[in-house]
Amino acid sequence: DAGVTQSPTHLIKTRGQQVTLRCSPKSGHDTVSWYQQALGQGPQFIFQYYEEEERQRGNFPDRFSGHQFPNYSSELNVNALLLGDSALYLCASRTGVRVNTEAFFGQGTRLTVV
Amino acid sequence: AQSVTQLGSHVSVSEGALVLLRCNYSSSVPPYLFWYVQYPNQGLQLLLKYTSAATLVKGINGFEAEFKKSETSFHLTKPSAHMSDAAEYFCAVSLGRAQKLVFGQGTRLTINP
Repeated sequence: DAGVTQSPTHLIKTRGQQVTLRCSPKSGHDTVSWYQQALGQGPQFIFQYYEEEERQRGNFPDRFSGHQFPNYSSELNVNALLLGDSALYLCASRTGVRVNTEAFFGQGTRLTVV
Repeated sequence: AQSVTQLGSHVSVSEGALVLLRCNYSSSVPPYLFWYVQYPNQGLQLLLKYTSAATLVKGINGFEAEFKKSETSFHLTKPSAHMSDAAEYFCAVSLGRAQKLVFGQGTRLTINP
């Protein structure tokens, strides 16, 4: 059983560019959350998708947007990249919206903005 | 708003010694609490979780944590450290229907031979 898979694993972009990161949830999971983890910091919640809708959003600007597809996979888009967007982006999936279901994390996409 | 504070960004212990990683939370309602481990260049793996059942929670790899409401703490312990325990550890709190996780800053655990 494949866990949460993210692509690509590493990415280098130039300031001002746009980037799309992808996430396939663990089999049987229908809820996907995205987190940003800056170097030496804990992950910060970006947003969560359930039933193809954004259900909750963290304190991130509108340059960060997402999408969930009918097969539950998800994309994170970041426009007008800034140097400060350099981070490890983690995708987490779980089943439904019950608060105590376990979230499984992917290995992340390391984004470097130069 | 809920928050988590991890005391000590770096903890170093000898192999075979007790591991104690500290976590204090702030929450206006009964929280759900989690400990995650992150190995280099990896995602996060759940070690254990507290969901208002038993206050002493046992997790994987010999780790356990005790929820103490009076101290608003959820410290992680392991009786005997192993070299493979070297990693970054994150405490997190969650509440609300969307189960947003709020993470602490992390504690890097180093094991000395």
